[in-house]
Parts: sequence; C-alpha cells; structure tokens
Amino acid sequence: DQQVKQNSPSLSVQEGRISILNCDYTNSMFDYFLWYKKYPAEGPTFLISISSIKDKNEDGRFTVFLNKSAKHLSLHIVPSQPGDSAVYFCAASANTGTASKLTFGTGTRLQVTL
Amino acid sequence: DAMVIQNPRYQVTQFGKPVTLSCSQTLNHNVMYWYQQKSSQAPKLLFHYYDKDFNNEADTPDNFQSRRPNTSFCFLDIRSPGLGDAAMYLCATSPFNQPQHFGDGTRLSIL
Repeated sequence: DQQVKQNSPSLSVQEGRISILNCDYTNSMFDYFLWYKKYPAEGPTFLISISSIKDKNEDGRFTVFLNKSAKHLSLHIVPSQPGDSAVYFCAASANTGTASKLTFGTGTRLQVTL
Repeated sequence: DAMVIQNPRYQVTQFGKPVTLSCSQTLNHNVMYWYQQKSSQAPKLLFHYYDKDFNNEADTPDNFQSRRPNTSFCFLDIRSPGLGDAAMYLCATSPFNQPQHFGDGTRLSIL
C-alpha cells in the first residue's frame, strides 16, 4: 500500500530542455512535501519543499507545483543540465508532533543527455 | 565536511549473527532517523529519536533495535539478521520540523 507513488522509473531529457518529474500521493494527512536528489553511492540530498498551504515554490532552476485536489505534485527543472542526472525521490510528511516522518516514493532516475 | 557520517559503508555479516551500524552527526540536530532501503524500493522509516525519546514504527520488526547514547551518535542493532534484512540503511538528522539531512548509508549483506 504505497502512499507516495512515482510512476515513472526513468526519464531522459536533452540538456537545456525542461525536466518534469511527477509524484502522486493518497494520504490526505500529508501536509509537507519534499524532493530529494540522490547520486550513486551517496545519500539523498534535500532539494526543495512545499507546504500544503502553497501551490508553488521556486528555487533557481527548480520549481515544485502542488495540486492538492488531485493529490499530485511535480518537480520542474529548467534548463536541465548534465549534472542533474540522478535519482529523484518525492517524499511526504505528516507532522507527528515530535518529528516530520517522511514517506518516500520509489524514485525516478533522470538522465540528462547532451 | 560530511555532517552525517555512517560507518561502515559496507558491512557483511552471517545469517543470525548480530550486527551494529553506526551514525554520527556534527549538526547538533535533535532528531535522528533510521531508514531501510531495499533494491528499487522507497526508503522506509524504521524509527526515530526526538532527543532521547525513542519512536518505533508499527511495522518495524522486533529484530531491529536502536540506541542513542548522546546527541551525536545513534546505533542500529540487528539482533539476528535474516536474508531479508540485506539492504541499504540510511541515517538522517533534522532539527524539529525541518528537512532531513542524510548520511551516505551502510550497505548490509547477509551471507
């Protein structure tokens, strides 16, 4: 019973184009969403987040969009660069009062080609 | 400059032989987490500490235990590893209600 789903295991995009990574969730209690980036042999690195009170958050080349009614979020990378090639994990959090426990998706491997 | 350090990076143990994985942090965060990630699956939270308060996930097997002797260190103990426990184990830290910082993980193999 996966509460956070990333239905595309992989994505290939040309350098300079837009990369769009998608994520769906089922739990209405989630109130905070994050994207993590993971290179091989390294741990996940926090990239960008969005609170459920917003529908968009932007940080440089990275923008996250949240559609609460559809329980869907997406990460846009513009323009894509070869260094963006990594596995991207979507994560959702429901505040427990002591910590933000993350529920992760299975990840999307992004390949940015020259 | 690593801020969340996991040792060792690779651990091999025998079926049924207890094993301990280590995590340390230089960030002084009050929350520490342990995740298990099996191949091609999502990282799955096992438990977390808020300061010294231990919080176990409902579906974490009894075989898995944790200790946090001080703010900087947290250990994952697997009492009797089975073949199904082979995985990447990720430690993370955060201040309360902030994004988590991950270590590079320990890959555990069971012979």
